[in-house]
Amino acid sequence: GAGVSQSPRYKVAKRGQDVALRCDPISGHVSLFWYQQALGQGPEFLTYFQNEAQLDKSGLPSDRFFAERPEGSVSTLKIQRTQQEDSAVYLCASSTRGGLLSGNTIYFGEGSWLTVV
Amino acid sequence: GQQLNQSPQSMFIQEGEDVSMNCTSSSIFNTWLWYKQDPGEGPVLLIALYKAGELTSNGRLTAQFGITRKDSFLNISASIPSDVGIYFCAGSKETSGSRLTFGEGTQLTVNP
Repeated sequence: GAGVSQSPRYKVAKRGQDVALRCDPISGHVSLFWYQQALGQGPEFLTYFQNEAQLDKSGLPSDRFFAERPEGSVSTLKIQRTQQEDSAVYLCASSTRGGLLSGNTIYFGEGSWLTVV
Repeated sequence: GQQLNQSPQSMFIQEGEDVSMNCTSSSIFNTWLWYKQDPGEGPVLLIALYKAGELTSNGRLTAQFGITRKDSFLNISASIPSDVGIYFCAGSKETSGSRLTFGEGTQLTVNP
């Protein structure tokens, strides 16, 4: 499709298990973002890539969270040794080069729903 | 944590009524955005505001960027059942490639 694609849509993990969430941004989009959305809350910023460079990872909650985008297109968010508080929807978003003031739009995927039991 | 205060948290209205929700911040944002999120979906952009004082419409939706750059409101006129969903405000300071800070959302229910 033409939108941001995320997989898996739903993931149930046992506490302590590692998980990997994948994001396929819109073709040609330079900027890629990961957000975490807890139940009943707004999305919270995790990390930002411009091409393959991770320019901001200040939102990652702990060193158990790791994101990569090695070829500047597909990105993976990895969570090691999952804990119950990691249960949330993980949203990926992408946009073209340039900031919002340039008229660019940030497009969100449908999210990956992670439940840690 | 989040820096945007969004109100009300929820609204229950009758079809045809007008709706207003707002967002305030303790700090300045350069861009304000309003998104709608349906269950099981990602947020979808409704309106983007780029200048202080700007008033922008998109169909039955109207939003304004506050003069102080610390607030914004969204109005929906003549609501219809498909307006049901969660509405989020979001602000950008144009750092980190337009990293967004979101409000906590307004849950809108429209009774036919």
